Amino acid sequence: GDSVTQMEGPVTLSEEAFLTINCTYTATGYPSLFWYVQYPGEGLQLLLKATKADDKGSNKGFEATYRKETTSFHLEKGSVQVSDSAVYFCALSTLHKFYFGSGTKLNVKP
Amino acid sequence: DAMVIQNPRYQVTQFGKPVTLSCSQTLNHNVMYWYQQKSSQAPKLLFHYYDKDFNNEADTPDNFQSRRPNTSFCFLDIRSPGLGDAAMYLCATSRVVGVDTQYFGPGTRLTVL
Repeated sequence: GDSVTQMEGPVTLSEEAFLTINCTYTATGYPSLFWYVQYPGEGLQLLLKATKADDKGSNKGFEATYRKETTSFHLEKGSVQVSDSAVYFCALSTLHKFYFGSGTKLNVKP
Repeated sequence: DAMVIQNPRYQVTQFGKPVTLSCSQTLNHNVMYWYQQKSSQAPKLLFHYYDKDFNNEADTPDNFQSRRPNTSFCFLDIRSPGLGDAAMYLCATSRVVGVDTQYFGPGTRLTVL
């Protein structure tokens, strides 16, 4: 069945470090792919999305490219800030349903 | 701003005492979802409404019910909360079911004493 696999956390980085959070998926058809961010005690906020192969989603310095050949949608940011500390969820949507990864907690230290 | 609103943000109830959580949206979306999220886990879909059509997930306990009286509002009723139902409850909306973005509210944190 359809699914999303994310790298396990927590990920701890120093401020201004480069961030990669890996996400791979299994899906039939042509899913849309998403990254959501959840700050402590809050709901999920859409960070970025991509709807077809080779699309790049970007927002607030974060980027992810929809790679059909590797079934991946890795999240990257060139220089993280303390304010980026949160849990990041990769997700896919198909004709039938939304599937979330298990989430990756990011801690950024000053 | 168009948005998804959940009330209350924090709800405390007693074991076995019915509780209702509320969600409203100004996006005029057709679909409204309820998710349960326990600590350090991904959100788990409980059910969704497409307009007035109710769609229950197979593993959602009977203890959880939902109502959607109109396009803007959707309620989650927990008939007899147990300690295991303590969680964050997230409401989300989308224009259509399937390949579409879901927009989430801030969540209601439910505590069961």
